[in-house]
Amino acid sequence: GIQVEQSPPDLILQEGANSTLRCNFSDSVNNLQWFHQNPWGQLINLFYIPSGTKQNGRLSATTVATERYSLLYISSSQTTDSGVYFCAVERPSGYSTLTFGKGTMLLVSP
Amino acid sequence: DAGVTQSPTHLIKTRGQHVTLRCSPISGHKSVSWYQQVLGQGPQFIFQYYEKEERGRGNFPDRFSARQFPNYSSELNVNALLLGDSALYLCASSLETENTEAFFGQGTRLTVV
Repeated sequence: GIQVEQSPPDLILQEGANSTLRCNFSDSVNNLQWFHQNPWGQLINLFYIPSGTKQNGRLSATTVATERYSLLYISSSQTTDSGVYFCAVERPSGYSTLTFGKGTMLLVSP
Repeated sequence: DAGVTQSPTHLIKTRGQHVTLRCSPISGHKSVSWYQQVLGQGPQFIFQYYEKEERGRGNFPDRFSARQFPNYSSELNVNALLLGDSALYLCASSLETENTEAFFGQGTRLTVV
């Protein structure tokens, strides 16, 4: 099956700092999503981005499908950004199967 | 509009028992998928249902089963519970079978003792 690797596994930032999270995948995909998992387990949709660049406030994401990677940028980080960030991809298969990476654990300290 | 809703939020069961988890998708969404997330890992795909038919199945034993009802809600059933079944069970809803954004519920945290 497809492999999804996220880096770094852990990240500690001071409030106000910027960061870049990376997601590499091993095969072509027709869907890529970024999620933020809050402490209660809820997966919050950040971006649906099979290709191209999108921005939402302090967050932006870029997916280069031909080179099989996606980047999530967090600018001016806040303590509420803490949590686990997951990248998930979907292979063309006839049904929706998201394959998740292991996540990046982000801790933003005041 | 209500998002994806799951019930119950927490559950404690004994080894060997059976459990049923429930999910209501976003209104208008016809596809429901189930995922298992163990501590420290990303969610793993269990099943996808679309228009009441199973469309995909992950690498889980036959103790796991599911169904989708005419109103597109879904149930996940697990028989003969093992300690290793303790996990967060997540339901995702989407408009179509593929190439569409998936939205997740808050999950059911199952503890098997």
